Amino acid sequence: GEDVEQSLFLSVREGDSSVINCTYTDSSSTYLYWYKQEPGAGLQLLTYIFSNMDMKQDQRLTVLLNKKDKHLSLRIADTQTGDSAIYFCAEDPSNTGKLIFGQGTTLQVKP
Amino acid sequence: DAGVTQSPTHLIKTRGQHVTLRCSPISGHKSVSWYQQVLGQGPQFIFQYYEKEERGRGNFPDRFSARQFPNYSSELNVNALLLGDSALYLCASTPAVVTDTQYFGPGTRLTVL
Repeated sequence: GEDVEQSLFLSVREGDSSVINCTYTDSSSTYLYWYKQEPGAGLQLLTYIFSNMDMKQDQRLTVLLNKKDKHLSLRIADTQTGDSAIYFCAEDPSNTGKLIFGQGTTLQVKP
Repeated sequence: DAGVTQSPTHLIKTRGQHVTLRCSPISGHKSVSWYQQVLGQGPQFIFQYYEKEERGRGNFPDRFSARQFPNYSSELNVNALLLGDSALYLCASTPAVVTDTQYFGPGTRLTVL
């Protein structure tokens, strides 16, 4: 079935790296996404990775994709207090735009 | 350029009432999707429209309906509201085909009492 799983909470110190993990179930997803949600706000697209890639880097963000294990991770370098938010990974298993989201990982950044 | 806009921002209704939520996509975007996000969970897909036609529907009861207008804006309607309909309703738009990257609006917070 379609299910995306994430750990619920991560706490890091300002300046450290954060790694948020996600497992998905459907290997047919062409794209996999990371969204950020700040309190009381909508979803902000952070980055996405095409399924034929292993890694994508975008400034402080690095996405790693392990298709064999159906594992996706988001690494945030030099984490700042402004990075505190809920992070969602999402897949599109039918490639029709119907995104399946994980429960979200709450990132807490301590000064 | 303006992003996806949604109205109203907040809404309080009572059980059994009807509600209409509105969404305007990014200029030039032709596809709109609706998601429901219950507190503490990830968004769940409700509907997808492209060029004014329904292209997908999630696992929601018939009390939920939507439409897309010629200017590509969209409305989500929910009839006979239940307490469990309390959620953040998110609208997302994509540039052209339905598989393009989705850009989300700020959402409408619906509270059903």
